[in-house]
Amino acid sequence: ILNVEQSPQSLHVQEGDSTNFTCSFPSSNFYALHWYRWETAKSPEALFVMTLNGDEKKKGRISATLNTKEGYSYLYIKGSQPEDSATYLCASSDWSNTGNQFYFGTGTSLTVIP
Amino acid sequence: DGGITQSPKYLFRKEGQNVTLSCEQNLNHDAMYWYRQDPGQGLRLIYYSQIVNDFQKGDIAEGYSVSREKKESFPLTVTSAQKNPTAFYLCASSTAFGEQFFGPGTRLTVL
Repeated sequence: ILNVEQSPQSLHVQEGDSTNFTCSFPSSNFYALHWYRWETAKSPEALFVMTLNGDEKKKGRISATLNTKEGYSYLYIKGSQPEDSATYLCASSDWSNTGNQFYFGTGTSLTVIP
Repeated sequence: DGGITQSPKYLFRKEGQNVTLSCEQNLNHDAMYWYRQDPGQGLRLIYYSQIVNDFQKGDIAEGYSVSREKKESFPLTVTSAQKNPTAFYLCASSTAFGEQFFGPGTRLTVL
């Protein structure tokens, strides 16, 4: 079992503020790091998949970075909007002869206050 | 529309009964997964399958069983041996690269 940790557990920000969260994971046997956005009453939605050390991905106002050597990833949201309110999950996946397993953190719950 | 469907959305079961949760995908993905979520915890892997007629136990497989007779279907049976089955269950499938797509989930309550 891989221990994936996310911080903070929850976050309240004002509309327009920028924010960031952390995901830490064991760097041994690493295959990929995944970020998901999970809105209430909906399915988790994939945001980014990153594999290489130093990877940076961006989608609109959301971006993510990856450091596989030290085992962490940051998710940034620039100019938060109320529609960004959701739980953000990260997962580390490894690869073995039985396939690709995902290990999830407990998530960061973001509330953007109008 | 391509996607993953889970049924039912809400399920109630009496203690001692087995119950089967459905998961169907039309994304042509080889890999499928079942997760369980409890309050304050992350998603925990119950079972996964990389290919038809093959599946592997995840971290919390005790009290659960699965089958993978067709590529598009991966039903999960919660047996009476599962001591604490009340939870939210998510099914997912993934591309060869590993990007996962999730279903809407089934909330199981044991009465």
